Amino acid sequence: DIQMTQSPSTLSASVGDRVTITCRASQSISGWLAWYQQKPGKAPKLLIYKASDLESGVPSRFSGSGSGTEFTLTISSLQPDDFATYYCQQYYNSRTFGQGTKVEFK
Amino acid sequence: QVHLQESGPGLVKPSQTLSLTCTVSGGSINSGDYYWTWIRQAPGKGLEWVGHIYYSGSAYYNASLKSRANISVDRSKNQLSLGLNSVTAADTAVYYCARGLTGNAFNIWGRGTLVIVSS
Repeated sequence: DIQMTQSPSTLSASVGDRVTITCRASQSISGWLAWYQQKPGKAPKLLIYKASDLESGVPSRFSGSGSGTEFTLTISSLQPDDFATYYCQQYYNSRTFGQGTKVEFK
Repeated sequence: QVHLQESGPGLVKPSQTLSLTCTVSGGSINSGDYYWTWIRQAPGKGLEWVGHIYYSGSAYYNASLKSRANISVDRSKNQLSLGLNSVTAADTAVYYCARGLTGNAFNIWGRGTLVIVSS
């Protein structure tokens, strides 16, 4: 099974900060990676698919990059609505999620 | 706009079978363009893929569930179903159904339904 490891687990940041979350796969998944945002009590929301494609309606401050085993999600200027938990997910072989990264107020 | 709604018993006894339904509205489940999944989240924990099913009817499951899960589609009712047998407290979670373009990420999700396994 492909394991997905996110870092950090928790990130403290302020509005306006540039934020980067890393996701590493235990083997190459090419570009078959998605990023989701989840707020408490809500379903996850797709942000990025195929590592770098922005889902329709998602603000352009979100971007994704990477291929193979290492990927990043970047929020260029953190907004109040962005404080949430973020998950990566591989869909190269079966489906696996990372453990999540909680972005909280500094 | 496609909308997914999960439903089922909120409480299931240990060793029994958990049965959930996801009703699709605003679109047809009978399309080869999409595939359908169940994902769960234990209280305070991360997301766990349970399994997914393609238009062909082929289904794939998380190996950690040890063959306890079964996903099916009822095209006449426009519904997706999940059965999970021999449940334990570890199966207590919010269960989500979701849809994605075949082979892609999941871009439409239901709101989720909480299932508690307890006697």
